[in-house]
Amino acid sequence: QVQLVESGGGVVQPGRSLRLSCAASGFTFSSYAIHWVRQAPGKGLEWVSVISYDGSNEYYADSVKGRFTISRDNSKNTLYLQMNSLRAEDTAVYYCARNRYSGIGEIDYWGRGNLVTVSS
Amino acid sequence: AIQMTQSPSSLSASVGDRVTITCRASQGIKTDVAWYQQKPGKAPKLLIYAASSLQSGVPSRFSGSGSGTDFTLTISSLQPEDFATYYCLQDYIYPYTFGQGTKLEIK
Repeated sequence: QVQLVESGGGVVQPGRSLRLSCAASGFTFSSYAIHWVRQAPGKGLEWVSVISYDGSNEYYADSVKGRFTISRDNSKNTLYLQMNSLRAEDTAVYYCARNRYSGIGEIDYWGRGNLVTVSS
Repeated sequence: AIQMTQSPSSLSASVGDRVTITCRASQGIKTDVAWYQQKPGKAPKLLIYAASSLQSGVPSRFSGSGSGTDFTLTISSLQPEDFATYYCLQDYIYPYTFGQGTKLEIK
């Protein structure tokens, strides 16, 4: 079955960096676009970024553009999110989520999420 | 970015009720809308995609409709396990955008 497992979260000071990972299994990772979606405590869902199946295209929300970088290693079935210049408002549970298709389309499977807390 | 305006933000209903949640897009997005259910502490679950297609394994009491700018999610007869928060998502163009969510509570 499709599994997505996030790791790398924790407490980090404002202005510092953190890298999240998402290990995928149960499907052909290299055939699907993959997203990051986040949810601040008690708030709604916010789309963060997506990377195409082959890593050739990336898109970002305005709120993270220039600070976050999405990448993938298809040989390791792993997705990454490099987060730099972190702010208090980046505090959230970060989900990796599979796109149903290699191109644009709905998100069909989600990981359990990983909490990132930005605080001094 | 496309705005998705979801209403109501909260809703109280009883088991057996029929409920409808709406999302309005700030521009036409064909039928590129998905609906998700989220329970506390859990990841969202896909219910409906392409505005009206039922995801495999989702009960048939869930249905979706709409095209262009106006979309609805309907639950025909509420069950106890349906009390949760629901979100719409436009997957027409990047950046994707979610509605603000509708919290469905027991009356």
